[in-house]
Amino acid sequence: DTAVSQTPKYLVTQMGNDKSIKCEQNLGHDTMYWYKQDSKKFLKIMFSYNNKELIINETVPNRFSPKSPDKAHLNLHINSLELGDSAVYFCASSHGLLAYEQYFGPGTRLTVT
Amino acid sequence: RKEVEQDPGPFNVPEGATVAFNCTYSNSASQSFFWYRQDCRKEPKLLMSVYSSGNEDGRFTAQLNRASQYISLLIRDSKLSDSATYLCVVTPNDYKLSFGAGTTVTVRA
Repeated sequence: DTAVSQTPKYLVTQMGNDKSIKCEQNLGHDTMYWYKQDSKKFLKIMFSYNNKELIINETVPNRFSPKSPDKAHLNLHINSLELGDSAVYFCASSHGLLAYEQYFGPGTRLTVT
Repeated sequence: RKEVEQDPGPFNVPEGATVAFNCTYSNSASQSFFWYRQDCRKEPKLLMSVYSSGNEDGRFTAQLNRASQYISLLIRDSKLSDSATYLCVVTPNDYKLSFGAGTTVTVRA
């Protein structure tokens, strides 16, 4: 009964490829997030959605496009992958629009070669 | 200047010791504060919220100093299982969390 799940857990791909990461939560939360954690361990917000509506869109290249088909799912599609995209991507969810307690998925370790 | 700054450590302490560390935040309008814990190669998990009056949760004590814009975490009677990276988290607005890079604590037997 995983609360926030992500697939795949590991993703190794070459520069220039397009890839997607999927996230699902079964907590009944209505806000979901994507974070990037780079090699320096900083966890940075990329996007957040509330009831399928985009709330936060930090300074992220256009190559990254989130999609929320329903409030339990938030997917991340990345076009034309670059070496600098290598990182761990975490999905998270929270109850309500205020970001107080967030539940994170296990992360997707993306390596671009 | 980063929104949230932490001493990366590592803090290496023996079992049973007390360890404490701080983080500072730059946005004086920040309203909510938390400590998250992240084990190696795992996802962050909420450890505790930090209230203005300070609060305890078992062996963990969190303090907030708004005037100096810092938050502290103290761990008493350290256990091996306390070994982790502790992330200081601040809400610069209502909609997002800003994370520090973390303070690594290693408890040795």
